[in-house]
Amino acid sequence: DTEVTQTPKHLVMGMTNKKSLKCEQHMGHRAMYWYKQKAKKPPELMFVYSYEKLSINESVPSRFSPECPNSSLLNLHLHALQPEDSALYLCASSQPGLRSGNTIYFGEGSWLTVV
Amino acid sequence: EDKVVQSPLSLVVHEGDTVTLNCSYEVTNFRSLLWYKQEKKAPTFLFMLTSSGIEKKSGRLSSILDKKELFSILNITATQTGDSAVYLCAAPRLGAGGTSYGKLTFGQGTILTVHP
Repeated sequence: DTEVTQTPKHLVMGMTNKKSLKCEQHMGHRAMYWYKQKAKKPPELMFVYSYEKLSINESVPSRFSPECPNSSLLNLHLHALQPEDSALYLCASSQPGLRSGNTIYFGEGSWLTVV
Repeated sequence: EDKVVQSPLSLVVHEGDTVTLNCSYEVTNFRSLLWYKQEKKAPTFLFMLTSSGIEKKSGRLSSILDKKELFSILNITATQTGDSAVYLCAAPRLGAGGTSYGKLTFGQGTILTVHP
């Protein structure tokens, strides 16, 4: 079982709604990530937080707004999304820095449908 | 740009067969290669490979890395229907200061279907 927990597991939202995806990990990892995965494609990185600071934004549209309130929590705020934003959103965590055990663990994902 | 290529893209076998999945990579400042299994949800970590020629094993699954030829293989012996999934290999990209954040470059994945 994954130790990265995401909620909700499924979300349907209209294009004018504001919603949030939440992620929590208790492995003591100090790097957390949001990935987006479309059907039959591999995951694509959106954001990286390292020590609660945003370190990578892969040119993601501003309708996606990440937030890292503390070292265990990561949110993704959604506003004015488009139908093409429908996808599986994956949260992941790891230790930052290059060590032999630098494995990235994924949560079970939040399935988002924009109508 | 970093590149990870998997083959075959799909594979259909019967229970009991042995399969070999391939992953080749071109990654600047290579550090490690990760294998994941993905069913209808999030990728589940299988192996991390950092050293050439050292086989990692977990039950019926094993994997090895060849840093000279820039590829890795994932073997599954005595396949079962529960092995049906997409198998992804990925390489972390180095961040600033040589750190390796979770910016994974994924291959396209191999869809494995195991029939009873």
